[in-house]
Amino acid sequence: QSVLTQPPAVSAAPGQKVTISCSGGSSDIGNNYVSWYQQLPGTTPKLLIYDNDMRPSGIPDRFSGSKSGTSATLGITGLQTGDEADYYCGTWDSSLSAVLFGGGTKLTVL
Amino acid sequence: EVQLLESGGGLAQPGGSLRLSCAASGFTFISYTMSWVRQAPGKGLEWVSGISGSGGRYSTFYADSLKGRFTISRDNSKNTLYLQINSLRADDTAVYYCAKDLYTGSLGTFDYWGQGILVTVSS
Repeated sequence: QSVLTQPPAVSAAPGQKVTISCSGGSSDIGNNYVSWYQQLPGTTPKLLIYDNDMRPSGIPDRFSGSKSGTSATLGITGLQTGDEADYYCGTWDSSLSAVLFGGGTKLTVL
Repeated sequence: EVQLLESGGGLAQPGGSLRLSCAASGFTFISYTMSWVRQAPGKGLEWVSGISGSGGRYSTFYADSLKGRFTISRDNSKNTLYLQINSLRADDTAVYYCAKDLYTGSLGTFDYWGQGILVTVSS
């Protein structure tokens, strides 16, 4: 059981927008930066968002991140079939001195 | 170009040991915290362990549930990260990824990942 809670699956039509939530607590999301990773089928994870809302070079601005309190959200606009992947949130837990990942959310673009 | 290449995986017996290696190149290895992250078949990501750039005794971190059987280490002269796994169990079966931290001196944001190495624990 993951400490960071994500919905197991979300879906939306091409061109639409979707959001993926990540819920934690005061020792993790509440006091640390959140990252988001995209794992396309059969590939390695890729950093999508860091420091809550920053995009690495090469990541399109269709992807966005935000954080409020002990929750974070990944937003994807203009959905494409190529966005179908598993998405994971991650953060540091100051109490455990450990990195936590969410359980992952499978995005289906219908 | 940053490259992380894992090795040392394969089939192992329950109760046995295994040492994974990750050869790094394309960045100043000593400056960055490195981690191991694993993914069991069909499951999500699980952070295993991290080690700071200096590799000092008090700069290692472990997932609570895995403490005791896993030991992370690094050889900065060889730009190589290691993970020793003892008392292997069936539920250690997973792809193990080596991951580099985005920032020097921090842990928890992974900007580069290796291709992963499969560890299968079975008799």
